[in-house]
Amino acid sequence: GDSVTQMEGPVTLSEEAFLTINCTYTATGYPSLFWYVQYPGEGLQLLLKATKADDKGSNKGFEATYRKETTSFHLEKGSVQVSDSAVYFCALSGANNLFFGTGTRLTVIP
Amino acid sequence: GAGVSQSPRYKVAKRGQDVALRCDPISGHVSLFWYQQALGQGPEFLTYFQNEAQLDKSGLPSDRFFAERPEGSVSTLKIQRTQQEDSAVYLCASSLVRGKGNTGELFFGEGSRLTVL
Repeated sequence: GDSVTQMEGPVTLSEEAFLTINCTYTATGYPSLFWYVQYPGEGLQLLLKATKADDKGSNKGFEATYRKETTSFHLEKGSVQVSDSAVYFCALSGANNLFFGTGTRLTVIP
Repeated sequence: GAGVSQSPRYKVAKRGQDVALRCDPISGHVSLFWYQQALGQGPEFLTYFQNEAQLDKSGLPSDRFFAERPEGSVSTLKIQRTQQEDSAVYLCASSLVRGKGNTGELFFGEGSRLTVL
């Protein structure tokens, strides 16, 4: 069945460091792929998405490219900030819902 | 408010009690989803409504779990005879997109944290 495998955390980085959070997927068909973020005390919110192969989603300095050949959708940011500290979830679209990864907690220290 | 609203935010129940969790989606959103998120895990799908119709309940873990959305707006997730393994955060999400296929953006509430003693 459809599933998402996400890099386990936690991840701790210094401010301005480069971030990569790995995500690979298994799916039938051609799903859309998403990154959701959960800031402390808040609900999940969409960070970025890509709907077809080779699409790049981007938002707030984060990017992820839908790679069909490697079934991956890795999240990257060139220079993280303290305010990026949150839990990040990779997800793919199913028939009626989203399948989520287990989440990666990112802590950015000044 | 403009977002998805859930209540209560926190619920402590004794084992065997029944609980009801409420979700008020964004006005006009056709689709409504319930997810269960255990500690340290990602959200797991429970059930999906399109307007008042429950189109998918394949994720409900047992017949103790029941969800309804009678008027196509507010939804209630009910858990009967709660067990300790039901302790989790229950997330509600809504979406403008209807139907199957590529799911559009889901807007999540802050969740209801259930602790069963």
